Amino acid sequence: DVKVTQSSRYLVKRTGEKVFLECVQDMDHENMFWYRQDPGLGLRLIYFSYDVKMKEKGDIPEGYSVSREKKERFSLILESASTNQTSMYLCASSFRSQFNEKLFFGSGTQLSVL
Amino acid sequence: GDSVTQMEGPVTLSEEAFLTINCTYTATGYPSLFWYVQYPGEGLQLLLKATKADDKGSNKGFEATYRKETTSFHLEKGSVQVSDSAVYFCALSPLDYKLSFGAGTTVTVRA
Repeated sequence: DVKVTQSSRYLVKRTGEKVFLECVQDMDHENMFWYRQDPGLGLRLIYFSYDVKMKEKGDIPEGYSVSREKKERFSLILESASTNQTSMYLCASSFRSQFNEKLFFGSGTQLSVL
Repeated sequence: GDSVTQMEGPVTLSEEAFLTINCTYTATGYPSLFWYVQYPGEGLQLLLKATKADDKGSNKGFEATYRKETTSFHLEKGSVQVSDSAVYFCALSPLDYKLSFGAGTTVTVRA
């Protein structure tokens, strides 16, 4: 089975801190994605990557950056966390040929910024 | 831009009841349509999909038909179980690469 692992299930940070969210997949997928999930808003795409060292902005990239140094790992970085970034963050991956068709998701990281 | 709109929840049902979750879409062209499900404490997983008009996707007793004339992809199940309690997301994959998700519908099934 495909496994997408997010490093933390729950995270509490202070305003202004630099926050790293890590995601690792074990199925050699080319595509990786970061979404945030908020009640009533569904999932919104923050960034995605279709290859190592490649990244593309999604719908809400402001306040975030990403890093993809290795194929299996995709990191989301909050340069200076703010309270409006309190959310559930979901990582996903897929094969290039199935771009946006079948996504495999991690269990999510619930981030609280105080 | 391309988007999906799904019915607001929460929806609470008794076991063996009929479930319908409405989903309509706006798209230029002919997108693929999906239903994803998120069980408590887990990530989303693909439930079913349809790639062209009149296609019916089905899985685990759930069905949805791609209706181009009404731009809809409603999810249905004839007899729900407690284990179907989850959040259901309608999604659309347009000609570009960005998958768009609806807001999600929380379904609770009581024994």
